[in-house]
Amino acid sequence: RKEVEQDPGPFNVPEGATVAFNCTYSNSASQSFFWYRQDCRKEPKLLMSVYSSGNEDGRFTAQLNRASQYISLLIRDSKLSDSATYLCVVNGGAGSYQLTFGKGTKLSVIP
Amino acid sequence: GAVVSQHPSRVICKSGTSVKIECRSLDFQATTMFWYRQFPKQSLMLMATSNEGSKATYEQGVEKDKFLINHASLTLSTLTVTSAHPEDSSFYICSARGLAGNGNLETQYFGPGTRLLVL
Repeated sequence: RKEVEQDPGPFNVPEGATVAFNCTYSNSASQSFFWYRQDCRKEPKLLMSVYSSGNEDGRFTAQLNRASQYISLLIRDSKLSDSATYLCVVNGGAGSYQLTFGKGTKLSVIP
Repeated sequence: GAVVSQHPSRVICKSGTSVKIECRSLDFQATTMFWYRQFPKQSLMLMATSNEGSKATYEQGVEKDKFLINHASLTLSTLTVTSAHPEDSSFYICSARGLAGNGNLETQYFGPGTRLLVL
């Protein structure tokens, strides 16, 4: 079983649409969860951390379900600049700073 | 935000040569640096973890004698791909962890990556 699994997409959505990405992880000891975005041929950049209570940053909302080992990212009012690959990332457990990356979900926002 | 630089950004070399990639944390001291490799349409794969002043810890399947890591200071780590072969062609990315920006030690800041092409 893959450690961090994501739907690769692509998700092609019109500007202004709401889009949701899901992710599952296999390591039940993971304590920290993140969403990164990666633009084509660039390094990953932290989008947001994901907290147990769920958290929101502007148009972005992240949710975590520890029981199901499931993480989600919701993007509202999509912009053209949101086009990128979104990476679900988890750490290796308590005290571990090693990160495990999913393959990413590609999003294309079209005019 | 915290800045991590990598040099060179891209390199083309002949098979059999060695290539050194530098990773620097520019505005903070990096307690730990990580080296990743990403093949096209694949996820980032951790190659090794290095703490300043100590030997790197390599992930399973990564040859430590082929990928030499030196982390001599809190702001610089180097990865040397020795006797590079075409199958080593990839996107190599470093990240650094330390007290920077938000003061969260869990945050890793990524360098811009180095594209290696071995002919």
